[in-house]
Formats: sequence, C-alpha cells, structure tokens
Amino acid sequence: SAVISQKPSRDICQRGTSLTIQCQVDSQVTMMFWYRQQPGQSLTLIATANQGSEATYESGFVIDKFPISRPNLTFSTLTVSNMSPEDSSIYLCSVEQGANTGELFFGEGSRLTVL
Amino acid sequence: EDQVTQSPEALRLQEGESSSLNCSYTVSGLRGLFWYRQDPGKGPEFLFTLYSAGEEKEKERLKATLTKKESFLHITAPKPEDSATYLCAVQALSNYQLIWGAGTKLIIKP
Repeated sequence: SAVISQKPSRDICQRGTSLTIQCQVDSQVTMMFWYRQQPGQSLTLIATANQGSEATYESGFVIDKFPISRPNLTFSTLTVSNMSPEDSSIYLCSVEQGANTGELFFGEGSRLTVL
Repeated sequence: EDQVTQSPEALRLQEGESSSLNCSYTVSGLRGLFWYRQDPGKGPEFLFTLYSAGEEKEKERLKATLTKKESFLHITAPKPEDSATYLCAVQALSNYQLIWGAGTKLIIKP
C-alpha cells in the first residue's frame, strides 16, 4: 500500500488566480495520476505524470491550464491556472498498486472553491 | 463508447436491511471491474477487482459479483459505518485507463 499526502486540503480562491496542489507519496512510484471529481459526477482523469518526462494529458485538459511537475519519484504538483468558478472541484492525486492493475491509492483530495 | 452507469444514485437503508448496488457497463472487452468506497472528505479506497463473469469477491458484509453486463455489490446486514459512496470503475482491454461511474451514496440509519 501507499500513503499519499495532499495539500492544501481545501482552499477558496479568487477568479483569475492560480493554485498549486502538492502530492507526496511515502514510496517511490513510476506514475502518478491527477483526477478531478465534481459533485455528483464520476472521477475524471486529468493527466498522468511520469518522473523525467512531460505529463500525458487526457482529452479536454491542456498543459497551459493544468501544468504538472514531477521532480522525483515521490512528489508531484498540479497547478490550476487562471481559475474560474467552473474549476471548483475536488482534485485527487493517486498512485497504482503494481503496474496497470487498476488498484489505485488516493490522497484525501484538495477541495477548491473559486469565487 | 465505453461507459459505466451506477444505480441508484442514493440508497437509504435501516441498519440490518440488506440490499444491492448496481454497476452496468459497456466496454469493448473487459480487463477488470473495480469497486471502491469513498467516505466524505476522503479519497476513494479500493475494495475489489473482478475479472470475469461469474466471479465473486467478499469482504466483511460486502460481496461483489460480475456478469457480462453488470456488477452487483451486495451488502448484508449493513451497519452505520458502511455508509459511504461506492464507486465502480472498469478497465478495458484496449487500454489501462479506468472509466468511472458516478457512484451510489449509501446511508445506513441506526
């Protein structure tokens, strides 16, 4: 298993500002995943972050809006840029047990409210 | 298009009242079906993986079953601590990305 720490746990932000979410894992992992969870909706994968390479973004998500860093095998950040109220959501960091198993460990999430 | 639909959206039960949650899926070749539990303010927690029709997995009061079109999460004699949102996800043979349902919010009243 893996223990994942995310911060901030919640924040209230003003429209047009940017916020960086940090994700720390207690073990080295190859891939880290960033998800968005909007109220009443399913989890949506934003991007996959591999150490030493550019993140891979899913359809509908772009690097300019959601830049990701992955400086080492235990840490990643997701920035939500130029925020609008539509970005209000829970953002979750996760890692996988093994490779391509579908068994994910999640952080507790970062709840962002954009005014 | 691959998709996952969970029903009902919410389910309220009395303590001890058994019931089932449904996860219907459409996928072009199933690699695996996953159940997660999510408590308020927490990230999802992995429960089960099912790989083929007819397979069953159990954990305490929970039993997950799988057919070619859907999965059921049966909860027997639930307790208030079983209250949570239960998420279903599938993984297709064509890629490893999980496709998630919107979840069923289960409330067990004492």
